[in-house]
Amino acid sequence: GQNIDQPTEMTATEGAIVQINCTYQTSGFNGLFWYQQHAGEAPTFLSYNVLDGLEEKGRFSSFLSRSKGYSYLLLKELQMKDSASYLCAVRTGTASKLTFGTGTRLQVTL
Amino acid sequence: GAVVSQHPSWVICKSGTSVKIECRSLDFQATTMFWYRQFPKQSLMLMATSNEGSKATYEQGVEKDKFLINHASLTLSTLTVTSAHPEDSSFYICSARDLASSSTQYFGPGTRLTVL
Repeated sequence: GQNIDQPTEMTATEGAIVQINCTYQTSGFNGLFWYQQHAGEAPTFLSYNVLDGLEEKGRFSSFLSRSKGYSYLLLKELQMKDSASYLCAVRTGTASKLTFGTGTRLQVTL
Repeated sequence: GAVVSQHPSWVICKSGTSVKIECRSLDFQATTMFWYRQFPKQSLMLMATSNEGSKATYEQGVEKDKFLINHASLTLSTLTVTSAHPEDSSFYICSARDLASSSTQYFGPGTRLTVL
């Protein structure tokens, strides 16, 4: 089966940098996704990694190490609107099924 | 960017009735769509994979006769919750796979179902 772990909650200050970690154990790995979800809304796509290394997109960066089963999402210059849940999802096989972690609720404070 | 719509955005129904939820990919064709369910403060749980022109593939523990899925075209999948009960109250979210974008899944806005 699949096992994906993320911290449940994190708190950070506006303007700071926060790193959200995700570890996974899975078979048939075919990519890792990060999504942002505000309360009561659907997830929105943030990033995708399939090869080892860092992908940067504006204030958001995502890193993947396939050998370690590890990824992180880095958020820079935090803004209040970044308060949300961040979901790590692993894709397996050719059917493109996603298995989601429990999500990390990030609270950005003044 | 890829846009997925869902209708209705929320629905309240009586116990025992059936509810249909539509999921549409607006600017791309989706041979595969996915249906998820999310309970409060929990993550998304995949219910089934919907394939255009064929039967859906259900995850373990999901009753296929209760959650009917139809994927009649490359842009539309429907989920019908039959004989709904209060325990079916949840946030139902669909996603569509965009083959042109590394098979990224784009999510619809979700449908909040409340069964009285």
